[in-house]
Amino acid sequence: AQSVTQLDSQVPVFEEAPVELRCNYSSSVSVYLFWYVQYPNQGLQLLLKYLSGSTLVKGINGFEAEFNKSQTSFHLRKPSVHISDTAEYFCAVTNRDNNNDMRFGAGTRLTVKP
Amino acid sequence: GAGVSQSPRYKVAKRGQDVALRCDPISGHVSLFWYQQALGQGPEFLTYFQNEAQLDKSGLPSDRFFAERPEGSVSTLKIQRTQQEDSAVYLCASSLALRGASGNTIYFGEGSWLTVV
Repeated sequence: AQSVTQLDSQVPVFEEAPVELRCNYSSSVSVYLFWYVQYPNQGLQLLLKYLSGSTLVKGINGFEAEFNKSQTSFHLRKPSVHISDTAEYFCAVTNRDNNNDMRFGAGTRLTVKP
Repeated sequence: GAGVSQSPRYKVAKRGQDVALRCDPISGHVSLFWYQQALGQGPEFLTYFQNEAQLDKSGLPSDRFFAERPEGSVSTLKIQRTQQEDSAVYLCASSLALRGASGNTIYFGEGSWLTVV
């Protein structure tokens, strides 16, 4: 089965600085990849997803991610963060043959400081 | 409604009590998922419905956990004889597409926060 590793449990960063949240996946088959954001006491909101085609995917709120098949990575980036980006970010993977079985990483807590 | 709705949002149960958590998916969504999210962890898959059929329940942690979706819309997750390790957020999600469909976007509810004391 597929799995996801988020390498950083917490990432503190100052406002307007760039940020990268790291995600590596493991799967023996082709995958779809996702990033979700979870604000306090709320559900998960889809930021972006990679299905096929261009390896650079742009999402909402100025976030983007790059799929790297050789490194089995799908890192999330934003060139300039805001205080409002403070949240928990989850990387997730499904295999293309079984879209139901979405596996999540443990999450990365992004804290943006003024 | 506009999104996935879950109730209750917060539930405190005494150990040994039965609980029922409700999920109203987005209207017309065929697929429905339940996830369990322990504190500080990512969501873990519990079970999947396609309309009223429960096609995958491989993630249910024990036979105390039971889910149903009798009319292919609202779903209920029931936990019998709750234990402290059941304390978690239970997330419901739905999607328009069928199993295996390409580009399937899954929409999550805000979760039901269960605390077993």
